[in-house]
Amino acid sequence: GQNIDQPTEMTATEGAIVQINCTYQTSGFNGLFWYQQHAGEAPTFLSYNVLDGLEEKGRFSSFLSRSKGYSYLLLKELQMKDSASYLCAVSNGNYQLIWGAGTKLIIKP
Amino acid sequence: GAVVSQHPSWVICKSGTSVKIECRSLDFQATTMFWYRQFPKQSLMLMATSNEGSKATYEQGVEKDKFLINHASLTLSTLTVTSAHPEDSSFYICSARGGTSDNEQFFGPGTRLTVL
Repeated sequence: GQNIDQPTEMTATEGAIVQINCTYQTSGFNGLFWYQQHAGEAPTFLSYNVLDGLEEKGRFSSFLSRSKGYSYLLLKELQMKDSASYLCAVSNGNYQLIWGAGTKLIIKP
Repeated sequence: GAVVSQHPSWVICKSGTSVKIECRSLDFQATTMFWYRQFPKQSLMLMATSNEGSKATYEQGVEKDKFLINHASLTLSTLTVTSAHPEDSSFYICSARGGTSDNEQFFGPGTRLTVL
């Protein structure tokens, strides 16, 4: 079967750094996406990794290891507005997105 | 670029009525459109995948006669929830793939459906 695993919920402090992990098993691989979703809104794109390594984009970075079936999203200098759900999704061999259940990130002052 | 719109953004209807939701890619041609449903505090659930001019492919457990999908052009797909019931109340989100990136999906803002 195909599955994506990520923690259900994480808590972090404003100004700190948090790493959200994602492990996957899919039929084929055409890239891994991270999306941010605020309550009641549609997901918004954060990052895309198809090759191993780290992709940095401002305060957010995403890492991929294809051999380990593993990715993480790193958020630096956390702000209250970063409180949201973070969804890990893998594009499989048929270019379908397989979604994780999402990680709810709670930021405390 | 790569903007996807949905209409309406929210709808309230009586049980037994049909509701049509439109999804448009505004500045690119979408080779494929996807329809998702999301219940509160749950992740996105793919309902169906549609390619322009062909029949939609429905995920297991999704009734194709209840959720009618029409992908008439490269910029428009519609989802019709027929004979809606309270259990169909959910957040319906479309996404489109195409343009310069054949891998990324661009999401519409979603439609909140409440069936009374």
